[in-house]
Amino acid sequence: GDSVTQMEGPVTLSEEAFLTINCTYTATGYPSLFWYVQYPGEGLQLLLKATKADDKGSNKGFEATYRKETTSFHLEKGSVQVSDSAVYFCARSSGAGSYQLTFGKGTKLSVIP
Amino acid sequence: ETGVTQTPRHLVMGMTNKKSLKCEQHLGHNAMYWYKQSAKKPLELMFVYSLEERVENNSVPSRFSPECPNSSHLFLHLHTLQPEDSALYLCASSRTPIAGGLNTGELFFGEGSRLTVL
Repeated sequence: GDSVTQMEGPVTLSEEAFLTINCTYTATGYPSLFWYVQYPGEGLQLLLKATKADDKGSNKGFEATYRKETTSFHLEKGSVQVSDSAVYFCARSSGAGSYQLTFGKGTKLSVIP
Repeated sequence: ETGVTQTPRHLVMGMTNKKSLKCEQHLGHNAMYWYKQSAKKPLELMFVYSLEERVENNSVPSRFSPECPNSSHLFLHLHTLQPEDSALYLCASSRTPIAGGLNTGELFFGEGSRLTVL
């Protein structure tokens, strides 16, 4: 079945460090790919998305490129801030007939001053 | 403020209690979802409603009973739960149901209801 694998956390970085959170997905069908973010005490909110191969999603300084050849959608940011501390979830849309977004387990990011 | 409101934010109940979680969306969306979020596990989709009809039920035990009286409201009725049901229950909505790769629509989540079963 469909699955999403993202790097285990937690990840702790100093402010202004470079961030990469790896995400790979099973290559069934032609999924759309998403990154959601969950700040402490809140629900998930969409951070960025890409709908086809080679698309780059970007928002708030974060970027991710849909790589079909490596079935990856890694999240990057050049300079993290304390306010980026949150849990990040990679997700893919599922196959035809299913209403499910398949999520990864989440990666907790802590940014220290 | 995401436009999706869940109540209560926290709930503690015994295994013999009956309680309900409520979700309301103010976004004019046609699809609503219940997800379960447990520590160190992926989000689990429980139910999907599209235009007030249940379109997906992911093998959820019958002690969880959803209700969608209209496109703006979604309930999750809880009865004789187990301690392992303790989790964060998230409601979400979307403009149209996310189905396969055809709909790239965004899910809008509420802040969740933290449930503890004693």
